[in-house]
Amino acid sequence: GENVEQHPSTLSVQEGDSAVIKCTYSDSASNYFPWYKQELGKRPQLIIDIRSNVGEKKDQRIAVTLNKTAKHFSLHITETQPEDSAVYFCAANFRGTSYGKLTFGQGTILTVHP
Amino acid sequence: DGGITQSPKYLFRKEGQNVTLSCEQNLNHDAMYWYRQDPGQGLRLIYYSQIVNDFQKGDIAEGYSVSREKKESFPLTVTSAQKNPTAFYLCATSDRGLDEQYFGPGTRLTVT
Repeated sequence: GENVEQHPSTLSVQEGDSAVIKCTYSDSASNYFPWYKQELGKRPQLIIDIRSNVGEKKDQRIAVTLNKTAKHFSLHITETQPEDSAVYFCAANFRGTSYGKLTFGQGTILTVHP
Repeated sequence: DGGITQSPKYLFRKEGQNVTLSCEQNLNHDAMYWYRQDPGQGLRLIYYSQIVNDFQKGDIAEGYSVSREKKESFPLTVTSAQKNPTAFYLCATSDRGLDEQYFGPGTRLTVT
């Protein structure tokens, strides 16, 4: 069935270090992979996404890579700052269903220590 | 995101009562979604609707009901049949043919 696995569940880094979060998906037909950042008590915010026709996308300190063969994608945050502390969710669409339906990973709690 | 409103922000109910959560959008998006979020878990899809007067069950629809009578509104009713209704409920929308979903601010429901 439709499944997205996300690792690690918690990640603690020092300010200035890099952070990497990984997700795997089950449906080889998936072609859209967003990442959301959720601060405590707030709504998830879309921070970056990637489609299956590219292997990497960057936006300032964040980047996402996609390996279609292995069916996994990763979020990379460089030069982490305390304000990066939040829960991060990956997601994938499943083309066997109606457009726009996303399945989410379990989330990663990122803590950046000053 | 500012075009999606959910009310109220906090909601308290007694066990056995039905409760309806509001979701309104002025983005003119066709599709709307309801998710449930529990501590330590991801977002789980309850119901979604791609067009007015049509909706489909998500992964955890039992104990919930929805309606889509207007494009801008997609209310969710949590019925007494839902065993563990206490959770953070998020509404989202997406435009026709696009995958990007945008979330409302959420409603935190507590049932005692």
